[in-house]
Amino acid sequence: QVQLVQSGAEVKRPGASVKVSCKASGYRFTRYYIHWVRQAPEQGLEWMGIINPDDGSTTYAQKFQGRVTMTRDTSTSTLYMEVSSLRSDDTAIYYCAREENSSWYYWGQGTLVTVSA
Amino acid sequence: DIQMTQSPSSLSASVGDRVTITCRAGQTITNYLNWYQQKPGRAPKLLIYAASTLQSGVPSRFSGSGSGTHFTLTITGLQPEDFATYYCQQSYRRPYTFGQGTKVEIK
Repeated sequence: QVQLVQSGAEVKRPGASVKVSCKASGYRFTRYYIHWVRQAPEQGLEWMGIINPDDGSTTYAQKFQGRVTMTRDTSTSTLYMEVSSLRSDDTAIYYCAREENSSWYYWGQGTLVTVSA
Repeated sequence: DIQMTQSPSSLSASVGDRVTITCRAGQTITNYLNWYQQKPGRAPKLLIYAASTLQSGVPSRFSGSGSGTHFTLTITGLQPEDFATYYCQQSYRRPYTFGQGTKVEIK
């Protein structure tokens, strides 16, 4: 069965970086785009960007340009999303999600990133 | 960016009620509109894609309609497990923007 399993919670200082992983299984890894979305406490969903696991090409939301990097490792079927220069307002749950039919049925379980001094 | 506006932001309803949530897009998105349900501490769950196609396994009391810029999600016969927050999302053009969410609470 299709699964997206994310890495565990992180606590970071302001100015640091965090790298969240999303391990895919149960399907051909290179076939489906993966999106990253975040949700701040008690807030809505915010799209961060997309990666094509086949060729590694990416598109980022303008808000995150220059601060977010999405990569993949085809040998382990794992996606990565790194956020640098962390601020307190980056505290959020970060999700990966698989696109199919222009919608997202499969989601990771979420990774809580807390940014605090 | 395509702005997505949901209304209402919250509502109170009773079990068995018919509930309608509206989502408006800032420009035409044809039928590239998805609806998600989210419960506390959980990832969003896809209910409807392409404006009106029910995702496999989702109860038939959920339905979606609309095209262009105006869309609705209807729950006919609200059940206790339906109390949650609902989001619309456009997948017509990147960035794939979401509505602000509608919280459905128990009256």
